[in-house]
Amino acid sequence: EVQLVESGGGLVQPGASLKLSCVASGFTFSDYWMSWVRQTPGKTMEWIGDIKYDGSYTNYAPSLKNRFTISRDNAKSTLYLQMSNVRSEDTATYYCTRDSTGTLGHWGQGVMVTVSS
Amino acid sequence: DIQMTQSPASLSASLGETVTIECRASEDIYNGLAWYQQKPGKSPQLLIYNANSLHTGVPSRFSGSGSGTQYSLKINSLQSEDVASYFCQQYYDYPWTFGGGTKLELK
Repeated sequence: EVQLVESGGGLVQPGASLKLSCVASGFTFSDYWMSWVRQTPGKTMEWIGDIKYDGSYTNYAPSLKNRFTISRDNAKSTLYLQMSNVRSEDTATYYCTRDSTGTLGHWGQGVMVTVSS
Repeated sequence: DIQMTQSPASLSASLGETVTIECRASEDIYNGLAWYQQKPGKSPQLLIYNANSLHTGVPSRFSGSGSGTQYSLKINSLQSEDVASYFCQQYYDYPWTFGGGTKLELK
């Protein structure tokens, strides 16, 4: 069974940095592109970016490219999202997803990030 | 970016009814479209991909259609477990983009 388990969320102050993790199991992690998607409290869904199965290539939403970095460690079956200089509008639930040419077939349970002073 | 306009934003329907949700892309997305269902308090789940292909395990009362810039999700014979929010997503071109969602409730 495919499982994606995110962690690392919480309350963070504006301007700070935060790193989310997603541990994958139930499939060969190194065979798949992976994506991060976030959902705001108002339920708007936003794709953040994705990373190639070997970690050699990433794509990002242009509005987030300068502050967010996606990486992976295939030896640990773990996906990461490094968030820097966070803002109140980054408050959202962050989902790790398994990406099959853009089709997001499996989602984690999500992790909440709240940006507030 | 390709803009996805989804309608209606909310919908109330009776058990057994047929429901249709629409999604319009700002340009041709060549069937690069998926539909997701999100039940309250849960993560989204894939229903349809490539505009009209049913994902594994999804009941056959769900179907997708469309082409070009216009796509739709149809739910036949609405069941109580279909109460959820539904989102479309284009993956024809980066960045992937989502519609605003449709909240489906029982009448």
